[in-house]
Amino acid sequence: DQQVKQNSPSLSVQEGRISILNCDYTNSMFDYFLWYKKYPAEGPTFLISISSIKDKNEDGRFTVFLNKSAKHLSLHIVPSQPGDSAVYFCAASENTDKLIFGTGTRLQVFP
Amino acid sequence: NAGVMQNPRHLVRRRGQEARLRCSPMKGHSHVYWYRQLPEEGLKFMVYLQKENIIDESGMPKERFSAEFPKEGPSILRIQQVVRGDSAAYFCASSPGVRGADYEQYFGPGTRLTVT
Repeated sequence: DQQVKQNSPSLSVQEGRISILNCDYTNSMFDYFLWYKKYPAEGPTFLISISSIKDKNEDGRFTVFLNKSAKHLSLHIVPSQPGDSAVYFCAASENTDKLIFGTGTRLQVFP
Repeated sequence: NAGVMQNPRHLVRRRGQEARLRCSPMKGHSHVYWYRQLPEEGLKFMVYLQKENIIDESGMPKERFSAEFPKEGPSILRIQQVVRGDSAAYFCASSPGVRGADYEQYFGPGTRLTVT
C-alpha cells in the first residue's frame, strides 16, 4: 500500500529552466510534507517542508505547493542548476514523527 | 548531512551472522529514527526511539531485528542471523522531536549492509 507516490521515476531539464517534481498521497490525515534530495551513496538531505495549513512555502530557488483537495504536492526549482541533479523524495507524516516516503524521482539538469 | 554520524559505512556479513549498526544523532537531538532502503525503492520507516524508550516500532520485522537508544552512547540497530534479503542501505535520522520550526529529520550517510 503505497501511501505516497511519485509517478515520474525520472525528469530531465535544461539548466536555467524550471524543474517541477510531483507527488501524490492517499492518506488525508497527513499533516506535514517534506522534500529531500539524495545523491548516490549519501543520506537524504532536507530541502523544504510544508504544513497542511499552508498551500505554499518558498525558500530561495525551491518552492513547495500543496493542494489538499487533490492530495497533491509539487516541488518547483527555478532556475535549475546542474548541481540539482539528484534523486528527490517527497515524504509525509500523520501527526507523528514517522515519515512515509515516495519512491523518488531522478532529476537530471543538463547544460 | 547535518552532523548525524553512522558507522560503519559499509558492512559485509555472511548469512547467519549478526550485524550491528550504530547511529549518533545530531548534538541536541534526542529523537532517533531508523529507515531502510532496498535497491530501487524508497526509504521505509523501521523504528523511532527516544533515550531509553522505543516510541514506534511498527516498521520493524517481527523477528531478528531490534533497536535501542541507551542513556549513554549511540543508537544501535541489531540484526541477528542475517539473510540475503537484509542487504540494503540503513539510514538513521535525528530530530529535536518537537513539531515546529526545527521539526525536520536530518539523516546520516547510511550503512550499506551486504549479506553474502
